Amino acid sequence: QQQVKQSPQSLIVQKGGISIINCAYENTAFDYFPWYQQFPGKGPALLIAIRPDVSEKKEGRFTISFNKSAKQFSLHIMDSQPGDSATYFCAALNAGGTSYGKLTFGQGTILTVHP
Amino acid sequence: GAVVSQHPSWVICKSGTSVKIECRSLDFQATTMFWYRQFPKQSLMLMATSNEGSKATYEQGVEKDKFLINHASLTLSTLTVTSAHPEDSSFYICSARSQREGMGYIQYFGAGTRLSVL
Repeated sequence: QQQVKQSPQSLIVQKGGISIINCAYENTAFDYFPWYQQFPGKGPALLIAIRPDVSEKKEGRFTISFNKSAKQFSLHIMDSQPGDSATYFCAALNAGGTSYGKLTFGQGTILTVHP
Repeated sequence: GAVVSQHPSWVICKSGTSVKIECRSLDFQATTMFWYRQFPKQSLMLMATSNEGSKATYEQGVEKDKFLINHASLTLSTLTVTSAHPEDSSFYICSARSQREGMGYIQYFGAGTRLSVL
């Protein structure tokens, strides 16, 4: 129930294309859903985040779509660039119970954008 | 965004020695920090939650006597890997929790520490 399932495991996109990464969760106690970008040898950097009372959030080329009833959310990267090549993690924050305040991470998606 | 500094970025040590890793929130106070471990091409695994002024809480399966955590101030948490062995070699990452208006609590991550135990 604590799991966040992320797909695909890896993704190859041409420059200018749209990258789409999907995540699904079961625990209804999750109430905050951030996406992190991680480059090799570096810590994760917060990219964009959404609360479940919003169905979509856009920041520049990055958009989160959130479907509360389906317990799914996705990251869309528009006009993908080679510099976007990194590992992306979705995550969910637990708002209650013994896991209050803890982040549960998805398995990660390795994105490669070809020039 | 908020800045979290982690030091050192890379450390090599001999088996049996202890290594201390520092995590600092540079521009905000963090009553709660987290320590993660990450293996190559894998996700982040939460090791423990560090609370300022109190004992850390460890996740199941994490040896608290091997991974000592101290959170003595609102801007500093340390992780000490005691009597390190080759199997402790990994990428250790800390995060600090900050409250952002309208968004609640957000975790900001340090750059990570690569530990290699010979």
